[in-house]
Amino acid sequence: GAVVSQHPSRVICKSGTSVKIECRSLDFQATTMFWYRQFPKQSLMLMATSNEGSKATYEQGVEKDKFLINHASLTLSTLTVTSAHPEDSSFYICSARDAGQGVDEQFFGPGTRLTVL
Amino acid sequence: GENVEQHPSTLSVQEGDSAVIKCTYSDSASNYFPWYKQELGKRPQLIIDIRSNVGEKKDQRIAVTLNKTAKHFSLHITETQPEDSAVYFCAATDSWGKLQFGAGTQVVVTP
Repeated sequence: GAVVSQHPSRVICKSGTSVKIECRSLDFQATTMFWYRQFPKQSLMLMATSNEGSKATYEQGVEKDKFLINHASLTLSTLTVTSAHPEDSSFYICSARDAGQGVDEQFFGPGTRLTVL
Repeated sequence: GENVEQHPSTLSVQEGDSAVIKCTYSDSASNYFPWYKQELGKRPQLIIDIRSNVGEKKDQRIAVTLNKTAKHFSLHITETQPEDSAVYFCAATDSWGKLQFGAGTQVVVTP
């Protein structure tokens, strides 16, 4: 159990375009999902916390108008990178907490490798 | 906010030897401390976690210790094997329940 999927796994786009990444909890409900960004040889940096039915909360330094997050259901959160630029190229990983278990553990998706040309 | 420091950044060990990674945290309200193993291009994989009401936890070759007073926790891997080679991250929850990660430790186990 506790499986999180992400789609797409890899995307290459031109500078200036927008890219949408989906994060799904497959066998549990997630009232809270998290979005992380990881640059090569670096740690995971939390970008934002996605709460079902409400606005996401962003970490300091993360532009909310550039990284749009929607958490419309208990099993789906989306991250849209708007007007992507080469510096946005990174590994984006989502995670989810199981609302029914009430535990701290986060279950991670497989990540999405974004390359902006 | 929470600040998690992790040492060392790289660790080379001979197969069969033990590996120890240490982390410190700053938020005294933190109560959940997971450790993750990440292979290149893959998701972080939870290998062990500990909560603040426990001082030590062991799972086969892996153990974690927590010293709440000193605000540090450590990962111990015994009888290391080549497949233990990966990047390991410690993390701690902050007051909001969000995970803050350490910088990571590249572990290389040489046969």
